[in-house]
Amino acid sequence: DAGITQSPRYKITETGRQVTLMCHQTWSHSYMFWYRQDLGHGLRLIYYSAAADITDKGEVPDGYVVSRSKTENFPLTLESATRSQTSVYFCASSEIDPPSPLHFGNGTRLTVT
Amino acid sequence: AQSVAQPEDQVNVAEGNPLTVKCTYSVSGNPYLFWYVQYPNRGLQFLLKYITGDNLVKGSYGFEAEFNKSQTSFHLKKPSALVSDSALYFCAVRDAQTGANNLFFGTGTRLTVIP
Repeated sequence: DAGITQSPRYKITETGRQVTLMCHQTWSHSYMFWYRQDLGHGLRLIYYSAAADITDKGEVPDGYVVSRSKTENFPLTLESATRSQTSVYFCASSEIDPPSPLHFGNGTRLTVT
Repeated sequence: AQSVAQPEDQVNVAEGNPLTVKCTYSVSGNPYLFWYVQYPNRGLQFLLKYITGDNLVKGSYGFEAEFNKSQTSFHLKKPSALVSDSALYFCAVRDAQTGANNLFFGTGTRLTVIP
C-alpha cells in the first residue's frame, strides 16, 4: 500500500541507549519531516529535509540526528536517549513547494525508562 | 516568529448542531494556514488549507474555515456535526515568506460530538 510507513510502532528503551526510528515513503516526495507530539505542546518540528542529502534543524533538534541518503527514507536517531524524549514521533512528507499538505505516518510511541 | 493558538482544549457539541473550532495565528508575513485532524493512534490527516484568494475555504468531510486577516483567525466550522467528527483537531501556520515547508502547529482541540 503506497504511503508513509513508520517503524517500529512502539519502542521501549533505556536511558543512554541509542535508538533509531525509521520512516519510509513511496510517493517520492521531496520534503520529509520529523515531529514529536507531547501533551500541551502539540506537534514540534525536530528536523526536516528538502531533498536527499539536505537536512536542517527544526524547533527542537537537540539530542537527535537525521540522515537522508535516499529520497524515500528519513531515519531519526536518538544518540543517547533521555526520559524527556519519551514522546510520540511522527514522520511526514510533502511535495515540493508551493505549499503542499503534509502526509503523516501513524507514529512511533517511544518510552525511555 | 510564527505561532498558533487554539484557545480551547476541548469542544463539546451535540450531533446535528454547528461546530466551530477556533484558531488564531501570528506570522510576520502572509500566512499559509492549515487544519488537520487526528484520530486515535493515527497520524494527522489534512482537512483544508488557505493560501490566497477567497477567505472561505472548503475542505474534506464537509468542513470549512474562514480566514480573517484583521483578527488573525482561521476558525474551522461545520454546519452539522456528526459523531464521527469526534477527534483531535490541529491548526497550523507557515509564513509564506520562508523557504521551507515546515509548519508550526497549535496544541490541538479535542472535539467531542454528543449523540
